[in-house]
Amino acid sequence: QVRLQESGPGLVKPSETLSLTCTVSGDSISSGPYYWGWIRQSPGKGLEWIGSIYYTGRTYYSPSLKSRVTISADTSKNQFSVKLTSVTAADTAIYYCARFDIVVVPGFDYWGQGTLVTVSS
Amino acid sequence: QSVLTQAPSASGTPGQRVTISCSGSSSNIGRNAVNWYQQLPGTAPKLLIYGLNQRPSGVPDRFSGSKSGTSASLAISGLQSEDEADYYCVAWDDSLNGVVFGGGTKLTVL
Repeated sequence: QVRLQESGPGLVKPSETLSLTCTVSGDSISSGPYYWGWIRQSPGKGLEWIGSIYYTGRTYYSPSLKSRVTISADTSKNQFSVKLTSVTAADTAIYYCARFDIVVVPGFDYWGQGTLVTVSS
Repeated sequence: QSVLTQAPSASGTPGQRVTISCSGSSSNIGRNAVNWYQQLPGTAPKLLIYGLNQRPSGVPDRFSGSKSGTSASLAISGLQSEDEADYYCVAWDDSLNGVVFGGGTKLTVL
């Protein structure tokens, strides 16, 4: 069973950098054909894709967040991470990590439980 | 403003058949597979329908999906109280080179 678990600070100050890590178990992020991605959900709102990464380092980012987002992967730890710079209150959301199956689905088939990040001073 | 358009709400009574629609464009639904997710309150989204009306293991066959042109639909037959949730359509967009979500439809079982 594939499991994903988000971790990181639950509170970030405005203008600082939000950093989250997703730890994967039950699968290797180096195995294909999967991308690994981040999605967020503002309180009471819909889902927003942030970006995705392949284990080789190939990344895709949401055009609306591209200037502030970096997604990276650490295959030795079977983890991938997201950094979002210059955060504001609008970045307050539940952040989910998920596996993107390229071939069968294609789409996000396994999700983490999500972690709430609040941007506030 | 979501790239894929869904009605914000839908409702039905137990046993009824309900349809949730998702409208897109030639760069997303028109060219690529549409997936549907169910999100129960306080939980992560769950894959409900993928590809050409495929269901992951454990998803009842009361749920079905279809696509025509640049629109897609999720149908739920034999509506049950536990189907009360938010439903999202998702697709890859070739123009944006990324994943696009619908705004979600909140289904209420009356």
